[in-house]
Amino acid sequence: GAVVSQHPSWVICKSGTSVKIECRSLDFQATTMFWYRQFPKQSLMLMATSNEGSKATYEQGVEKDKFLINHASLTLSTLTVTSAHPEDSSFYICSASVGGQFFGPGTRLTVL
Amino acid sequence: GDSVTQMEGPVTLSEEAFLTINCTYTATGYPSLFWYVQYPGEGLQLLLKATKADDKGSNKGFEATYRKETTSFHLEKGSVQVSDSAVYFCALSDGTSYGKLTFGQGTILTVHP
Repeated sequence: GAVVSQHPSWVICKSGTSVKIECRSLDFQATTMFWYRQFPKQSLMLMATSNEGSKATYEQGVEKDKFLINHASLTLSTLTVTSAHPEDSSFYICSASVGGQFFGPGTRLTVL
Repeated sequence: GDSVTQMEGPVTLSEEAFLTINCTYTATGYPSLFWYVQYPGEGLQLLLKATKADDKGSNKGFEATYRKETTSFHLEKGSVQVSDSAVYFCALSDGTSYGKLTFGQGTILTVHP
């Protein structure tokens, strides 16, 4: 139980385009999901907390207009990287909270 | 704010060696402490946790004890296996903010046969 999926697992896009990443809790409902960014050989940095039916709470220094988060249902949260640039290339990980956090496998974004 | 500091890696060991990965934390209040493991190509998995001082978390032969006096939560295993090769993250949760986690920088462990 407590499986979280992410789609896509990897994506390559051109600079200036937008990319949407989905995070789904497959066998449970999650009021709260988190989005992290992981740089190579570095720790996970929390980007935002996503609550179903309300606006996401962004961490200091994270541009909310660039990283759009939508949590429209109890099993799905999406992260859209708008007008992506090469510096947005990273590994994005989501987690769903239900008595603890369960992590998705991550999405590798490469912006050319 | 809260922070977690892990020993720098990478750590390379031979099979059956003893493992220690140090973790210290800074937090207000009484956080819960966690160790997560990330195997190659997979997402983070909870390895063990402790929610109060002197608690010992254990799983798959790994152990860690919540030491409030030294603000530490060191990970240990008596005899590592090749299959333990992974990245290990120490983390804390302050119990508020919907369980928001603060992670250490991660330690890469490689175990050779």
